[in-house]
Amino acid sequence: SQQGEEDPQALSIQEGENATMNCSYKTSINNLQWYRQNSGRGLVHLILIRSNEREKHSGRLRVTLDTSKKSSSLLITASRAADTASYFCATDVVDSSYKLIFGSGTRLLVRP
Amino acid sequence: DTAVSQTPKYLVTQMGNDKSIKCEQNLGHDTMYWYKQDSKKFLKIMFSYNNKELIINETVPNRFSPKSPDKAHLNLHINSLELGDSAVYFCASSQEQGWVETQYFGPGTRLLVL
Repeated sequence: SQQGEEDPQALSIQEGENATMNCSYKTSINNLQWYRQNSGRGLVHLILIRSNEREKHSGRLRVTLDTSKKSSSLLITASRAADTASYFCATDVVDSSYKLIFGSGTRLLVRP
Repeated sequence: DTAVSQTPKYLVTQMGNDKSIKCEQNLGHDTMYWYKQDSKKFLKIMFSYNNKELIINETVPNRFSPKSPDKAHLNLHINSLELGDSAVYFCASSQEQGWVETQYFGPGTRLLVL
């Protein structure tokens, strides 16, 4: 069953604007990760936030985590055309299997 | 200096055939994975190996058989290919198995079964 679901499914913005993507999940987690996938490529890790953290920054990326609502958001500030990609959240499963469950992704288009 | 590599990049084959996809990582990682991404972009774990030992097998049909000759390689063999096997298959690796491990993905193998 799908653990994470991203919202919106697709997002189109102008270069320079901020992009916000949301992820909701169903079960308790130890951490949540965000990955980017450029068209025709593999996924690239962006940022990891642990369950005891509420906010994390990395360059133009800001991730928040609300474990009470089982949700996370990824904010990309001052977007660039090169940010055009699909963005996935991934959560672990709190059992012994150490596996990541990926959401369905948000397709971001940044128009130049 | 590719970190995680897969071959082939594209694979077009007839239904019923047997095919293999190879994966190699030069990161010195202990854990490797196979994922399947369908046409709707859902990415689902299939298998995970840690130091050549199978640790995750996600109810994948027996037609799929992973093999890890050493911890740097994880190959995927698929018997009797079916139309529904058409997808992009990604190999990934991480330093260890664990909840805070970052996974490094290969470029994917696009499989089309006709």
